[in-house]
Amino acid sequence: QVQLQGSGPGLVKPSETLSLTCTVSDDSIITGFYWAWIRQPPGKGLEWIGSVYHRGSTYYNPSLKSRVTISVDTSKNQFSLKLTSVTAADTALYYCARSVTEGWFGPWGQGMLVTVSS
Amino acid sequence: EIVMTQSPATLSVSPGERATLSCRASQSINSNLAWYQQKPGQAPRLLIFGASTRATGIPARFSGSGSGTEFTLTISSLQSEDFAVYYCQQYNKWPPLTFGGGTKVEIK
Repeated sequence: QVQLQGSGPGLVKPSETLSLTCTVSDDSIITGFYWAWIRQPPGKGLEWIGSVYHRGSTYYNPSLKSRVTISVDTSKNQFSLKLTSVTAADTALYYCARSVTEGWFGPWGQGMLVTVSS
Repeated sequence: EIVMTQSPATLSVSPGERATLSCRASQSINSNLAWYQQKPGQAPRLLIFGASTRATGIPARFSGSGSGTEFTLTISSLQSEDFAVYYCQQYNKWPPLTFGGGTKVEIK
């Protein structure tokens, strides 16, 4: 079964850019799936950030759209998240996940805690 | 944006008993609903999609029902490993994809 492994800094300063990468264990990144980022503030619920198709088309949560870029690098079996101008409100567990065209998620990566603090 | 509301926030159930979790959508989402289970320190796991179709490897004690705006996840006989937080998610109209606030199933 495909596995997703996230990576990136666990601490980001306010006003800076959060950058995370998710590596997919097989070539399914170039098949008919979407690749998504979802976050979860500590002790709270889930928020979809956005999704990217392997051909590059993207869909973002309108609440974050002005600050988010999600991209895919099929040569490396990776997709990435950039979130600009972060504040403490962006502190969360960030998950990468595979998504079918319809829009549900599975499997998920292990989750990365990103703390925004000076 | 479609708002998903789950109830109750916490459900206390004894092992072996039945658990019934509810999820309501702010507008009709047909059967475009998924359920996830999240245990402490773990990523969510897909249980149900299409409101009632179990994902691969999910035990038959988990069942989903409903359509339109009202949905239910039933766990027929709670096992120790089922105590967790459960989330519903709509994918009928997006962006954005939206989740409910979760129901925590705890040991009574």
